[in-house]
This record gives sequence, C-alpha cells and structure tokens, in this order.
Amino acid sequence: DADVTQTPRNRITKTGKRIMLECSQTKGHDRMYWYRQDPGLGLRLIYYSFDVKDINKGEISDGYSVSRQAQAKFSLSLESAIPNQTALYFCATSQTGTVTGELFFGEGSRLTVL
Amino acid sequence: AQSVTQLGSHVSVSEGALVLLRCNYSSSVPPYLFWYVQYPNQGLQLLLKYTSAATLVKGINGFEAEFKKSETSFHLTKPSAHMSDAAEYFCAVTTSTGGFKTIFGAGTRLFVKA
Repeated sequence: DADVTQTPRNRITKTGKRIMLECSQTKGHDRMYWYRQDPGLGLRLIYYSFDVKDINKGEISDGYSVSRQAQAKFSLSLESAIPNQTALYFCATSQTGTVTGELFFGEGSRLTVL
Repeated sequence: AQSVTQLGSHVSVSEGALVLLRCNYSSSVPPYLFWYVQYPNQGLQLLLKYTSAATLVKGINGFEAEFKKSETSFHLTKPSAHMSDAAEYFCAVTTSTGGFKTIFGAGTRLFVKA
C-alpha cells in the first residue's frame, strides 16, 4: 500500500459543484501539503499544515479550503468548482526536524471541471 | 523569497547520450535543493538532494547534480540516457527561513530517442 494515499484519483464535475479531495498518510509525518500541477507551471502550493492545529495558506489558496482532521488526514475542498481549477492535485508530507524537509507525494488526483 | 528557473520545458536526447537538465535558483539564504522525477501517471519522487554536505550530489538511477553557488545553479546530469529515463523532472528549493516550504520550477520533460 502507498504511504500517501489520495482519493479520488480521477474526478469529473460541473461548475458550481462542491468537491473534496482526501489525503491520508501512514508515514507518521506531521507536515502535510496540497499542491496543484498545471502544464508549464510546475507545482504550486495551495495550503500546508505543520500539525493538526496549524493551517497556512500557500501561493494560490483562493477558491480552496482545507481541513486537517487528524495527523494522518488532510483534505482539500473546492466550495464551488470552476473550470480553471481543472488540474492535477498532489498531497505531500514531510517531517519536522529533518534537515531538508524532503517531500513524499501521493499519486495525484486529476480533477476536471466542466 | 526563493525561486527556481528551469531552462527548457522539453529536452530530447538519444539513448546513450549525455543528459543535462538546467536549474538556476534564487535565495537570500543558503538553500536546500532537490531534483524530483515524475513518471507518467505517478506522483513525484526524490531523485537527489543538496544539503550543503557536498557540492556534487549523487542520486538514484545514475543521476547527479552539482551545486555551484557562484552561478546559483544546480544542473542535473546523467552520462548515458536510457529509455526508462523519459519523464518530467522538477528542480525545487527550500530554506529554513522559509519554513521549509518547497518551491518548484516549471519542470522539464525529458524525451529519449532510440
């Protein structure tokens, strides 16, 4: 089983719908992140959480919200999806105290908003 | 604030030829630098990382990168390309003062011709 699991892996939805992407990890890491990948733009940070009571906005948080339900779970919500939120979304984890903060990624959730 | 620039969104090499993927960074404090690789339909995985211990860093699958502070570069090389190296490669930077938020370059897609 994957250390960082994302669900769903693929989702097609319509404009205005609420969508939740879920992430769970078995690595025991305290830090969790949501990134968005768009062709030619690399990965951009949406939100990050350094522990259960800590939530921070990243570069592109508008239109998104997150919830850290437990150390191992971090979900991303789109309250009212729009077509330019069509992208590949990645959850990642890291551990406080490591020298570099190396990230460990899930396999991604591909979201299409029609 | 830190940033990363990858020169060339696409690079094509012949099997057995040298692979060179370019990365330049900007950071006001000593950076930690990474190369991640993304194979089709997968998440990103760490290829190698620079942590200030040595300027020449060796990673998995025969890749290596050299940190050159004077040139603010961290180019990725492999002496002989293999078909299995075809993937997208991301250079990334993080700093302790940046809270270990990782900033990614736009990515370089490597094509390997038979």
